Amino acid sequence: NAGVTQTPKFRILKIGQSMTLQCTQDMNHNYMYWYRQDPGMGLKLIYYSVGAGITDKGEVPNGYNVSRSTTEDFPLRLELAAPSQTSVYFCASSYSFVWQGSYSYNEQFFGPGTRLTVL
Amino acid sequence: TQLLEQSPQFLSIQEGENLTVYCNSSSVFSSLQWYRQEPGEGPVLLVTVVTGGEVKKLKRLTFQFGDARKDSSLHITAAQPGDTGLYLCAGARDDKIIFGKGTRLHILP
Repeated sequence: NAGVTQTPKFRILKIGQSMTLQCTQDMNHNYMYWYRQDPGMGLKLIYYSVGAGITDKGEVPNGYNVSRSTTEDFPLRLELAAPSQTSVYFCASSYSFVWQGSYSYNEQFFGPGTRLTVL
Repeated sequence: TQLLEQSPQFLSIQEGENLTVYCNSSSVFSSLQWYRQEPGEGPVLLVTVVTGGEVKKLKRLTFQFGDARKDSSLHITAAQPGDTGLYLCAGARDDKIIFGKGTRLHILP
């Protein structure tokens, strides 16, 4: 198993350009997540998906879009890059389910990250 | 609004010393996880605690979940340089997981 893979590893964009960050997992996990991590900070949730065809906003969704057409893939789209989007982006997946009314979260597996700079 | 507060933000201590880092919230979480992240890599799960008052041990690391499931602590005994990294707590609430900002730990040889 490759786990969670992300491409590209590094990218430099000019203001106003667009790009797609790719994320693939081969563990048949139902949940997938996109986070950004700014220098010296923790992780902020951008978008997440509970399964194919279902996505929802996280804490910082503005300027991003996602889709989940398959269980394995969860691409993140930046339409008009801005310097504020300079960050390290992590994709993650987990198997989660509802038990006795509460979500039971198993381990989140993270990809290696994409370092994005917008100039 | 930062729902999970981690303290201290930074900690630099000598090898062999003991330390405790904290993860506090005013909200109740159904479970809480601790991750460690090394430079240039994604976080890796250390432990998940789900029951109020639960204590889990992982070699020299001891994790505790508060009785009210609002806070947690991580205690490291006899810290080693290999413990250096960013320690993140993450709480599960409704259908989301919320991360704290992390404690950056540096163990001096």
